Amino acid sequence: DAMVIQNPRYQVTQFGKPVTLSCSQTLNHNVMYWYQQKSSQAPKLLFHYYDKDFNNEADTPDNFQSRRPNTSFCFLDIRSPGLGDAAMYLCATSRDEVGGYTFGSGTRLTVV
Amino acid sequence: AQSVTQLGSHVSVSEGALVLLRCNYSSSVPPYLFWYVQYPNQGLQLLLKYTSAATLVKGINGFEAEFKKSETSFHLTKPSAHMSDAAEYFCAVSGRNAGNMLTFGGGTRLMVKP
Repeated sequence: DAMVIQNPRYQVTQFGKPVTLSCSQTLNHNVMYWYQQKSSQAPKLLFHYYDKDFNNEADTPDNFQSRRPNTSFCFLDIRSPGLGDAAMYLCATSRDEVGGYTFGSGTRLTVV
Repeated sequence: AQSVTQLGSHVSVSEGALVLLRCNYSSSVPPYLFWYVQYPNQGLQLLLKYTSAATLVKGINGFEAEFKKSETSFHLTKPSAHMSDAAEYFCAVSGRNAGNMLTFGGGTRLMVKP
């Protein structure tokens, strides 16, 4: 089945230690998104790629970076995780930024 | 710009009772509207979407929603709640043009009592 896959499902990292979360998709969608979702809150868009074009949200901290080496893969890099970065990170895809998004199962990040 | 407001952060119903989750939107252009469900430690799953044509939209798991332009509402309903419906539900809106991002409401946690 075509889908969005996030690895790992659970990630524990040390305060200040760089961490990378990965997302892959078999839908051949040209847009990929990263959302941060803290406990009991709605998902918050961090950035997205429209094809190879990177679009950062104005209030996304510089600590968060992203890479998209090809259509299928997208990575979220947190350069120096703080305790406040503990959250569920959701990857999503869509075709041409219009219509419904398809979400992965998420990666729950714990910072110790 | 678009926004959505979900009335009631928590809704509790008895098993077999009607489920009604409220969503009101604000949009300067004709919107697309969505309902997503999220189970604990899971991603978001699309329940249904309104993009045009029929204003009554049927989704998965027996849910449906009606787009009411005059009321700027897109409430989610299910005639008979099941224990497995307990989850977090998010209403979302986007514009119809490329570049219009999906904007989520604050979410409603549905609890189903036996």
